[in-house]
Amino acid sequence: EVQLVESGGGLVQPGGSLRLSCAASGFTFRSSWMSWVRQAPGKGLQWVANINQDGSEKYYVDSVKGRFTISRDNAKNSLYLQMSSLRAEDTAVYYCASFTAMVFDYWGQGTLVTVSS
Amino acid sequence: DIQMTQSPSSVSASVGDRVTITCRASQGIGSWLAWYQQKPGKAPNLLISAASSLQSAVPSRFSGSGSGTDFTLTISSLQPEDFATYYCQQANSFPYTFGQGTKLEIK
Repeated sequence: EVQLVESGGGLVQPGGSLRLSCAASGFTFRSSWMSWVRQAPGKGLQWVANINQDGSEKYYVDSVKGRFTISRDNAKNSLYLQMSSLRAEDTAVYYCASFTAMVFDYWGQGTLVTVSS
Repeated sequence: DIQMTQSPSSVSASVGDRVTITCRASQGIGSWLAWYQQKPGKAPNLLISAASSLQSAVPSRFSGSGSGTDFTLTISSLQPEDFATYYCQQANSFPYTFGQGTKLEIK
């Protein structure tokens, strides 16, 4: 059974930093593209970032470029999102998802990031 | 960026009804269109990929069609567990974008 378990969310002040983690199991993590998708409270879904199998290709939505960094550790079956210079508008549930054949096929349960003073 | 527009934004229907949700892309995306279902407090669940390919374990009452800029998701006979919010998503080009969602409510 595929499992994606996010952690690391919490309350952070504007301008602060946070690192999200996603532990993967039940599939061949090292062979999979991976993604972060977020959802602001009461709002729709927004793709945030993608990373390829070996971490050599990374893509971001413009609003997080230069502030967020996606990375992975295939030895640990883990995906990360380092977030810095956080803004109120970054407040959201952040989902880790596998990305296969151009779709987000498996999702974690999400971790809430709240940016507020 | 490619804008995805869903209609309606919300719809009320009864168990057994046929419901159609449309998704329009601001430019052609071929068949790079997926549909997701999301229930309150839960992660989205992939229903359909490549515009019309039903994922395994998804009931056959769900179907998708379309190509280019216009797409539809149809639920042939609504069941109680289908009341949720539905999103379309394009993967033709970065940034991948979602529609604003269609909330399907019980009449």
